[in-house]
Amino acid sequence: ETGVTQTPRHLVMGMTNKKSLKCEQHLGHNAMYWYKQSAKKPLELMFVYSLEERVENNSVPSRFSPECPNSSHLFLHLHTLQPEDSALYLCASSQDYIRGTGLKKGTEAFFGQGTRLTVV
Amino acid sequence: DQQVKQNSPSLSVQEGRISILNCDYTNSMFDYFLWYKKYPAEGPTFLISISSIKDKNEDGRFTVFLNKSAKHLSLHIVPSQPGDSAVYFCAASARGSNYKLTFGKGTLLTVNP
Repeated sequence: ETGVTQTPRHLVMGMTNKKSLKCEQHLGHNAMYWYKQSAKKPLELMFVYSLEERVENNSVPSRFSPECPNSSHLFLHLHTLQPEDSALYLCASSQDYIRGTGLKKGTEAFFGQGTRLTVV
Repeated sequence: DQQVKQNSPSLSVQEGRISILNCDYTNSMFDYFLWYKKYPAEGPTFLISISSIKDKNEDGRFTVFLNKSAKHLSLHIVPSQPGDSAVYFCAASARGSNYKLTFGKGTLLTVNP
């Protein structure tokens, strides 16, 4: 148990469906992230939120739409996905997002268990 | 272009022996390195990290070594236990963009009883 909870754990959706992934952290962290893990590829950072403000969008297609209503919750809204979007989607959080000051202990990211998404 | 490379997709070790997992990087701006461990059907969990100002960091059975000139780091697990069987990810971050972890593809470690 890392303190980061993702729901659902598994999701199968059609290409015309709209669904949302949910992430919740109980660690009091200020930064939250969405990562994508495709088969045989490294983890790819998708979005970063710091203090509920989006600070990073890594050229992610608009069919993925993040939402961070507060520092404990993060959503990823999905619509008109493609089969190649099938992957494991991981949420993570860290204590802070520290701009320009470098890392220090405590800024490691803690991950949720992920949502296994299959687009059919 | 993969900036963090784990060239061994898998490693098999006997229980009680040392496991050595390797990671190479190309971005000289990376100054913080982390290892994550991932069991099937779970998210990665943070294991150990090292700053570029050090060349070694130890935490119990886990030691990470950093060779900056070679742009290489390694994770040593001594002694290896069957419960250590998992995928190990190397990750790196650059000053000024510390939230942006760049991951390797991972190495599957199997520790045989």
